[in-house]
Amino acid sequence: GAGVSQSPSNKVTEKGKDVELRCDPISGHTALYWYRQSLGQGLEFLIYFQGNSAPDKSGLPSDRFSAERTGGSVSTLTIQRTQQEDSAVYLCASSLRIRDRGWSGELFFGEGSRLTVL
Amino acid sequence: LAKTTQPISMDSYEGQEVNITCSHNNIATNDYITWYQQFPSQGPRFIIQGYKTKVTNEVASLFIPADRKSSTLSLPRVSLSDTAVYYCLVGQGEGANNLFFGTGTRLTVIP
Repeated sequence: GAGVSQSPSNKVTEKGKDVELRCDPISGHTALYWYRQSLGQGLEFLIYFQGNSAPDKSGLPSDRFSAERTGGSVSTLTIQRTQQEDSAVYLCASSLRIRDRGWSGELFFGEGSRLTVL
Repeated sequence: LAKTTQPISMDSYEGQEVNITCSHNNIATNDYITWYQQFPSQGPRFIIQGYKTKVTNEVASLFIPADRKSSTLSLPRVSLSDTAVYYCLVGQGEGANNLFFGTGTRLTVIP
């Protein structure tokens, strides 16, 4: 498929365990975003990657959260020592371009990874 | 930061026109305004984007006044399948790193 792919679609884990969530963006998209959405809530920005630039990590809620993007393509969001409040849907989005005059461009979202921490 | 404010929810009958307004008082000169639609258990989907005045596509219109401190998404003749959450998003300007979604407006279309 040509869309953003996320895996796993569902993950149930025990409190204190580490989890990894994967995002395959659309081929050629230089910008990649991670968002978190708790049940019935809006989207909470987590982290942003743009090409080879240093990522913007300003949205990460704690040092238990980290993300990397290898080769400018696939991204992995890692949550260490998971807590129950980490339960949410984690959404990844990619974008093709950012125009010179500020942001413009469509974000393409994946279906998300639903994380449940028991 | 150009945060946004939207009504939490709206109800509408089928066939009516729905207008959802978003406030973004701190919008920057270079920022664009974009609206997304989200159905349950899905990621948000792009609807429409604009910078100023009016933009229209096959699904919606976007009205932006001269001061750009607000915008209105207009959905003509809504159907039950338009029941969703609608998000207003304002770009962060040059290099647009973190893009903030507001709380969204939950639209319920009633038969």
